[in-house]
Amino acid sequence: GQSLEQPSEVTAVEGAIVQMNCTYQTSGFYGLSWYQQHDGGAPTFLSYNALDGLEETGRFSSFLSRSDSYGYLLLQELQMKDSASYFCAVRGGSGTYKYIFGTGTRLKVLA
Amino acid sequence: DGGITQSPKYLFRKEGQNVTLSCEQNLNHDAMYWYRQDPGQGLRLIYYSQIVNDFQKGDIAEGYSVSREKKESFPLTVTSAQKNPTAFYLCASTHKGATDYGYTFGSGTRLTVV
Repeated sequence: GQSLEQPSEVTAVEGAIVQMNCTYQTSGFYGLSWYQQHDGGAPTFLSYNALDGLEETGRFSSFLSRSDSYGYLLLQELQMKDSASYFCAVRGGSGTYKYIFGTGTRLKVLA
Repeated sequence: DGGITQSPKYLFRKEGQNVTLSCEQNLNHDAMYWYRQDPGQGLRLIYYSQIVNDFQKGDIAEGYSVSREKKESFPLTVTSAQKNPTAFYLCASTHKGATDYGYTFGSGTRLTVV
């Protein structure tokens, strides 16, 4: 089967750096994605890692280690608007474009 | 502008009633998906379709049905067999290709049983 684990909640102050972890178990692996969801809204795509290493997009970076079945999302220079839930999602299986989502980490940014 | 449109935004269902949630996309995406989200929870896959006239069950398909008669449309019917349908329903689509651009999500339908 497939499963993903994320911490339920993280709190940080404005301007700080925060790391949100994701460990996964999957049969077949094509990549790890990250999504942001504000309360009442739809998830929006942030990043995708198919290979080991760090991908950077502005204040957001995402890391993958396939040997450890582990990834993380790093947010720098935190802003109040970053308060949201962050989901990791694994695309697994053979030839399917199907993602399984984790339960999400709720990030609270304090002034 | 391209995107995914879900309607209605809010839906109320009486006990024993079937309801259909609409999902339309003009992104020319091949694959479409339905997820269910309960409060404080992640997204669980109900059904997905990678090509017209074909669809597969996800992890929680019982009590739901779908159709994919057109590339642009992937409606979800919540039947009376679904005993706990109150949830936030999200439709998504993606382009099948070597580069992964992730899902594009609609704005969701909030279904409540009354």
